[in-house]
Amino acid sequence: DTEVTQTPKHLVMGMTNKKSLKCEQHMGHRAMYWYKQKAKKPPELMFVYSYEKLSINESVPSRFSPECPNSSLLNLHLHALQPEDSALYLCASSQTATVTGGEAFFGQGTRLTVV
Amino acid sequence: GENVEQHPSTLSVQEGDSAVIKCTYSDSASNYFPWYKQELGKGPQLIIDIRSNVGEKKDQRIAVTLNKTAKHFSLHITETQPEDSAVYFCAAEGEGYSTLTFGKGTMLLVSP
Repeated sequence: DTEVTQTPKHLVMGMTNKKSLKCEQHMGHRAMYWYKQKAKKPPELMFVYSYEKLSINESVPSRFSPECPNSSLLNLHLHALQPEDSALYLCASSQTATVTGGEAFFGQGTRLTVV
Repeated sequence: GENVEQHPSTLSVQEGDSAVIKCTYSDSASNYFPWYKQELGKGPQLIIDIRSNVGEKKDQRIAVTLNKTAKHFSLHITETQPEDSAVYFCAAEGEGYSTLTFGKGTMLLVSP
């Protein structure tokens, strides 16, 4: 099983709403990532969790709040977003987050539209 | 930090032709170079990768070559099929933690 599952697939939210994106993997991976992808652009790293601890925050605004409840789950809590935050949000996982590298598997993404 | 350049941005080929996409990277310490295929509305899918101790790797119609001295790596797809049409991203492992720096992507169009 090399699957990373993201829910929901699509989300429309107002600028005053609070919502959460969810990601799940059962490959025993200990590193999980959130990426943001705008149309016709490559994925941009937002956060890295290693062994359930936040290890990298790429200067992401506080209206995005990640959470890693356990080694299989990763959430991204959204609050007071702006229309320019509309994008495809991708979750990924890999065996570890060390410099030796490792295959990163991506989920199908959540298409977020902020109105 | 790592910088990855990818060319071309768009590539159109006829079915059965070969396609080559090239990437260069800046950080000589990078050791891992994956290629992802992304179809419309889907997440990136890992199709092949190569590590710095290997010069070439092949998987059926797909091959990747790596030249560490020149700091470039390439994706080769032979006997292209319409279902190969997608955006392809190269990436290189960045500094510190195993984070990926992506190229800007190549839209491959395979015409029947």
